[in-house]
Amino acid sequence: SYVLTQPPSVSVAPGKTATMTCVGTNIGSGSVHWYQQKPGQAPVQVIYSSSDRPSGIPERFSGSNSGNTAALTINRVEAGDEADYYCQVWDRVIDHWLFGGGTKLTVL
Amino acid sequence: QVQLVESGGGVVQPGGSLRLSCAASGFTFVISTMHWVRQPPGKGLEWVAFISSDERNYNYADSVKGRFSISRDSSKTTLYLEMNSLTIEDTAVYYCARDRGDGSFDSWGQGTQVTFSS
Repeated sequence: SYVLTQPPSVSVAPGKTATMTCVGTNIGSGSVHWYQQKPGQAPVQVIYSSSDRPSGIPERFSGSNSGNTAALTINRVEAGDEADYYCQVWDRVIDHWLFGGGTKLTVL
Repeated sequence: QVQLVESGGGVVQPGGSLRLSCAASGFTFVISTMHWVRQPPGKGLEWVAFISSDERNYNYADSVKGRFSISRDSSKTTLYLEMNSLTIEDTAVYYCARDRGDGSFDSWGQGTQVTFSS
């Protein structure tokens, strides 16, 4: 079965750039979506279709997807960005949806 | 403004049943594909089930297939999840989510908790 692999944790200093990866076989051939989840809250979509931002999401958030790796990049990281981040894909052939294991972003 | 409000969670015994509901408002429910996603305590997100806008298409994660049933009532703009033969592995917060139309989840409810009694 298809697997999405995310690093368990990423740490970054305020004002710097955080990059979180999502690895899957040939993931670049489809769309990847990203969610932010803060403790005790529901997830919030921050990127869809690999690189599009929903309304209300700051321009500091961007996405890319090529080959076997998708990435979520946060520029000028703020303390409020500290959260868990999940990547997600849709296998439309079998109508199954899959999440990566999530990355905990720590702002130092 | 899109609003999704789950209810129906609670404490159950192994082998028991529960019916979760998700009341939708602020968007055209009748044309929206809907999902249930769950999150066990301290763990990541797991997709559970989906149902298309016309109710003709639906599917389940392997972990719940044969035990859970998803349905919707467009007249009440409500999504349901009937859960049977529950096991301790079903302990989780259950979220309903709207499909953007591209296989992503653009709106989420606040979730309803399902736990087991010892």
